Amino acid sequence: GIQVEQSPPDLILQEGANSTLRCNFSDSVNNLQWFHQNPWGQLINLFYIPSGTKQNGRLSATTVATERYSLLYISSSQTTDSGVYFCAVVSNTGNQFYFGTGTSLTVIP
Amino acid sequence: NAGVTQTPKFQVLKTGQSMTLQCAQDMNHEYMSWYRQDPGMGLRLIHYSVGAGITDQGEVPNGYNVSRSTTEDFPLRLLSAAPSQTSVYFCASAPRWAGEAFFGQGTRLTVV
Repeated sequence: GIQVEQSPPDLILQEGANSTLRCNFSDSVNNLQWFHQNPWGQLINLFYIPSGTKQNGRLSATTVATERYSLLYISSSQTTDSGVYFCAVVSNTGNQFYFGTGTSLTVIP
Repeated sequence: NAGVTQTPKFQVLKTGQSMTLQCAQDMNHEYMSWYRQDPGMGLRLIHYSVGAGITDQGEVPNGYNVSRSTTEDFPLRLLSAAPSQTSVYFCASAPRWAGEAFFGQGTRLTVV
């Protein structure tokens, strides 16, 4: 199956700081999504972004499919941004999501 | 729209017991899937379905059965629970296999 690597594995930020999370994948993809798993365990959809750039408030994401990576930008971080951020992909030749192991983000006031 | 609804939210089973985790979606999605999440790991696919009457195995199918008799429902059956099945289970649906997926709130299962 496709390999999905996320970096950094852990990140601690002061409230108000900006951050960039990275997702590398090993094969061409038909789907790429970013999720936020909050401290209660819920998986929240952030972006459906197999290619291109999208923005939603303080969050934005860019996927460069030809170079097999995606970036998630968080600006002016807030304590409610804390949790684990997952990247997940569906390869061109497959039909299942492959998840990375996530980036654990802690925002301190 | 309720989205993807999973029941129960929490369950404790004894080794050897069987049970069914329920998953229902009201978005008329063709694709549904079950994942398990273990500490320090991402989600791993157990079984999936591309439409009513069609199911297939994912990465970790052993010990689990599924069926898809309707578009809306995709139950996951544990045949004989084992402590190794202690995990958080997520159901997901998507309009098609590469479409945007939406997840239920999860079921935390403990097998003692």
